[in-house]
Amino acid sequence: DSGVTQTPKHLITATGQRVTLRCSPRSGDLSVYWYQQSLDQGLQFLIQYYNGEERAKGNILERFSAQQFPDLHSELNLSSLELGDSALYFCASSLHPRSSTDTQYFGPGTRLTVL
Amino acid sequence: AQSVTQPDIHITVSEGASLELRCNYSYGATPYLFWYVQSPGQGLQLLLKYFSGDTLVQGIKGFEAEFKRSQSSFNLRKPSVHWSDAAEYFCAVVPQSNFGNEKLTFGTGTRLTIIP
Repeated sequence: DSGVTQTPKHLITATGQRVTLRCSPRSGDLSVYWYQQSLDQGLQFLIQYYNGEERAKGNILERFSAQQFPDLHSELNLSSLELGDSALYFCASSLHPRSSTDTQYFGPGTRLTVL
Repeated sequence: AQSVTQPDIHITVSEGASLELRCNYSYGATPYLFWYVQSPGQGLQLLLKYFSGDTLVQGIKGFEAEFKRSQSSFNLRKPSVHWSDAAEYFCAVVPQSNFGNEKLTFGTGTRLTIIP
């Protein structure tokens, strides 16, 4: 158990809908990362937050957004869902970026199925 | 272009045999290097990491990896595999120069099958 929690574990929804994925980082970790794992794209970085502020963006679609709250948990919002958004979404957390020993620890993921 | 390559998509090994999974990177400077494992239906678990210093690093579950600068490689090894090692293994990097964006860039993964 990495200490990173993600809810829900599974999510099944229809095209055009909106969903929210939630992540709680390990106790003390300030940075949260979101990754998408799909069969055709592999593991791709979406977005990073550090202490409530957006720090870096990857290939995140405009239909997707995220935020990190004062208690450091994070939510990833996916809207106008398409079939191709079906994937495993991982959250990871780390103590703080650029520490010489900084390491990302991953949650169990949320499997999103868009029908 | 910067990249991480895992040349073996699928490897099959007999239980008790040794294992080596290959990882090569292409970056201007040596990045930070990681190996993660994903068991079926599970998240990603960190096996080991390399930041600097001793080029042979020990990880959990009896795994080790060796960093070879001359070959831009960070291969994962285990002297004797167990059936529970069947999983997908990912090599990942964070460029040291990427201040402000510490995202992990992953290889495509190697699926390990263990046969009795």
